[in-house]
Amino acid sequence: QQQVKQSPQSLIVQKGGISIINCAYENTAFDYFPWYQQFPGKGPALLIAIRPDVSEKKEGRFTISFNKSAKQFSLHIMDSQPGDSATYFCAASMPGNTPLVFGKGTRLSVIA
Amino acid sequence: KAGVTQTPRYLIKTRGQQVTLSCSPISGHRSVSWYQQTPGQGLQFLFEYFSETQRNKGNFPGRFSGRQFSNSRSEMNVSTLELGDSALYLCASSLILRDSPLHFGNGTRLTVT
Repeated sequence: QQQVKQSPQSLIVQKGGISIINCAYENTAFDYFPWYQQFPGKGPALLIAIRPDVSEKKEGRFTISFNKSAKQFSLHIMDSQPGDSATYFCAASMPGNTPLVFGKGTRLSVIA
Repeated sequence: KAGVTQTPRYLIKTRGQQVTLSCSPISGHRSVSWYQQTPGQGLQFLFEYFSETQRNKGNFPGRFSGRQFSNSRSEMNVSTLELGDSALYLCASSLILRDSPLHFGNGTRLTVT
């Protein structure tokens, strides 16, 4: 299966709080898991990515947690800011020249 | 370095017509992918071109087609438009190195009436 299931569909977080977005997959051949961030009127842009040989990757306030046995990965945004308000997409791909398969997206709103 | 450029930004077409969308990738990027974005389905892969050859194809009907030119610029065409084709069409370019990210344009918003 090629599907990546993302939840929640939308999320409202208070400024300074932690935003958590989850994704699950079935295809164990997936070996690359990026997250993309999209602001209104713009195309998505790579935020952070992970491979299954590590369980966590942190870049600034953004952290990916990866659970290979559960076939799940999640994005944590610490100290969420209004400027983080955007749509977030998880994605996955298999080795070789295969396309990225995206989740359906999570609309995050960070309110002051 | 200029980003991915998509033209036009907005299009309004009538059911049954055809449409051509254009994408200019980042200089040096030879892979160009197209995605359809709708509120209910997220980002769905249409096709990918590399060196003027279609390398991957998503699960879309034959009305959706594309091509890539020798300068890596790409076009996609949708024939016999249907109301359900209304969407944001995103083009992305990338290097062909492992883990090379997709660089998306800002999309073409197609409305079919």
